[in-house]
Amino acid sequence: DVVMTQTPVSMSVSLGGQVSISCRSSQSLVHNNGNTYLSWYIQKPSQSPQLLIYKVSNRFSGISDRFSGSGSGTDFTLKISRVEPDDLGVYYCGQGTQYPNTFGAGTKLELK
Amino acid sequence: QVQLKESGPVLVQASETLSLTCTVSGFSLTNYGVIWVRQPPGKGLEWMGIIWRNGNTDYNSALKSRLSINRDTSKSQVFLKMNSLQTDDTAIYYCTSDRYHYWGQGVMVTVSS
Repeated sequence: DVVMTQTPVSMSVSLGGQVSISCRSSQSLVHNNGNTYLSWYIQKPSQSPQLLIYKVSNRFSGISDRFSGSGSGTDFTLKISRVEPDDLGVYYCGQGTQYPNTFGAGTKLELK
Repeated sequence: QVQLKESGPVLVQASETLSLTCTVSGFSLTNYGVIWVRQPPGKGLEWMGIIWRNGNTDYNSALKSRLSINRDTSKSQVFLKMNSLQTDDTAIYYCTSDRYHYWGQGVMVTVSS
């Protein structure tokens, strides 16, 4: 199975600040069809995960442009700018290139 | 409006079988697949399996011997059955559309010894 490693495990941020979360996969996430199926999710307290970014850098419908994804191969980054209170929660990266799909262990974003 | 909703027992005895239903609306199961994901309390996400739009299934090899996923397209329902439950199967069980665009609210299942 593809192992997804996220860093940091947790981080604190001031409102209005910027954060970066790293995600590294144990194998290349480039699919045979040329697409890279790396997604980012946020899970707010007591809620289901919500899709933020798919295929590395594509924002899902209704997601603010304060969220941006980048990377390739095995190294990926989620950046959040101008952090707002509603951004707090646990962020997960996930790969959909190989089965079983796998997820990182999560990065908890808290207020400083 | 796309919605998914999980239902089923919240308490199951160890060694018994878990049966969950995911009822979808806003899309057809013949056009999109449904994935089951679970999350033990305070832990991360585990992909369990998928039923594709053509009815084929793929399972996490770690669960394959205990897990089956089926569907009733006429009722827009997907069914998860997992046998020989143990206490470490205690988790929130989610169903999600096959690209993870939409998630159900989840159902917390506790396995009691």
